[in-house]
Amino acid sequence: GQNIDQPTEMTATEGAIVQINCTYQTSGFNGLFWYQQHAGEAPTFLSYNVLDGLEEKGRFSSFLSRSKGYSYLLLKELQMKDSASYLCAVREDNAGNMLTFGGGTRLMVKP
Amino acid sequence: ETGVTQTPRHLVMGMTNKKSLKCEQHLGHNAMYWYKQSAKKPLELMFVYNFKEQTENNSVPSRFSPECPNSSHLFLHLHTLQPEDSALYLCASSPNHRGTYEQYFGPGTRLTVT
Repeated sequence: GQNIDQPTEMTATEGAIVQINCTYQTSGFNGLFWYQQHAGEAPTFLSYNVLDGLEEKGRFSSFLSRSKGYSYLLLKELQMKDSASYLCAVREDNAGNMLTFGGGTRLMVKP
Repeated sequence: ETGVTQTPRHLVMGMTNKKSLKCEQHLGHNAMYWYKQSAKKPLELMFVYNFKEQTENNSVPSRFSPECPNSSHLFLHLHTLQPEDSALYLCASSPNHRGTYEQYFGPGTRLTVT
């Protein structure tokens, strides 16, 4: 089984930088995904990490440390539209493309 | 239409009713998934289909019955549900159920069981 933890809520200011952490415990690991979900909408893919290190994609970056069972999503130059839930999901070894999701972090961006 | 669509978007049903949720993907994918998203709980995988064959049933009660007639369509048949089944039901698809593929989600059906 898996245990995935992320903070329930975070608040940040427009224009700032925010880091959303995710820790996981799993018997096998084969990749970590971050999804964004606006209220009442479908989750949309943000990033994928399977090797240690930082993946950068525009204002969003995702970091992975497999030895620590730890990932973070970094959002720069925050905009009001970044207010959403951010979901961390882990894929286990030999689990195909099945994902186990964390509870999500609800980010509120204030002016 | 593009992407993944789901109908209806909202559904209210009594515990003795029978209803069905529909999902359609226009992405040419071969794998489709049903998830349940309850308030204050993580997204829970329910079923996985690959090339119309069910590859995973995540210990889902039999009052939920999936059907996948082809790789583009996925149904979730509901009968004698309980109030605790009220949730957002999300459908997703990916090119295959193996390999490293992001999943594309539909907008979900908000289900209320009275």
